[in-house]
Amino acid sequence: QVTLKESGPVLVKPTETLTLTCTVSGFSLSNARMGVSWIRQPPGKALEWLAHIFSNDEKSYSTSLKSRLTISKDTSKSQVVLTMTNMDPVDTATYYCARRVPAALDYWGQGTLVTVSS
Amino acid sequence: QSVLTQPPSVSAAPGQKVTISCSGSSSNIGNNYVSWYQQLPGTAPKLLIYENNKRPSGIPDRFSGSKSGTSATLGITGLQTGDEADYYCGTWDSSLWVFGGGTKLTVL
Repeated sequence: QVTLKESGPVLVKPTETLTLTCTVSGFSLSNARMGVSWIRQPPGKALEWLAHIFSNDEKSYSTSLKSRLTISKDTSKSQVVLTMTNMDPVDTATYYCARRVPAALDYWGQGTLVTVSS
Repeated sequence: QSVLTQPPSVSAAPGQKVTISCSGSSSNIGNNYVSWYQQLPGTAPKLLIYENNKRPSGIPDRFSGSKSGTSATLGITGLQTGDEADYYCGTWDSSLWVFGGGTKLTVL
């Protein structure tokens, strides 16, 4: 079955760079018309889409965070990596990865809570 | 604020029907499929509706979706206490993904 699992630090300091890994199973990152998105949710707030990578390695980023984000994938390891630079306390959130099919995000990871604090 | 507009909250009694609206523009809902997500307290979002009105396997037919122009609607009939959750609409907007601000459903 399809699963996605996020991993990374639970605590980062302000100005540090966050690196999160999404490990997928049950599908290949080279499958056409599929990709992986990263989404975050600050405590008590709405979902915010961050970035996406397609099977052909095409990438797209949130306009407001584009300068701070980098998404990449390692198909052989079934992993998608998101880095976010210059972390700030307002970036405290649960970070999710999700599989993207053409018009939806059909499977989601359980999420990982990242706290930004000195 | 979110690109897609949803009411912050809706409520209804068990067994009743409720609808949740999602309003956008021609650059998003008007020219793309809409999907809906249910987020139960303390859990990850789950896909509820895709391509405007299709249900993934395992989603009961109490949940329905529709789209007209630049707006979409999620309908839930036969409300159950277990339906209490946050609901989000989502779609593409000029190659970027956008979500609505979410609607909290309370089953009174």
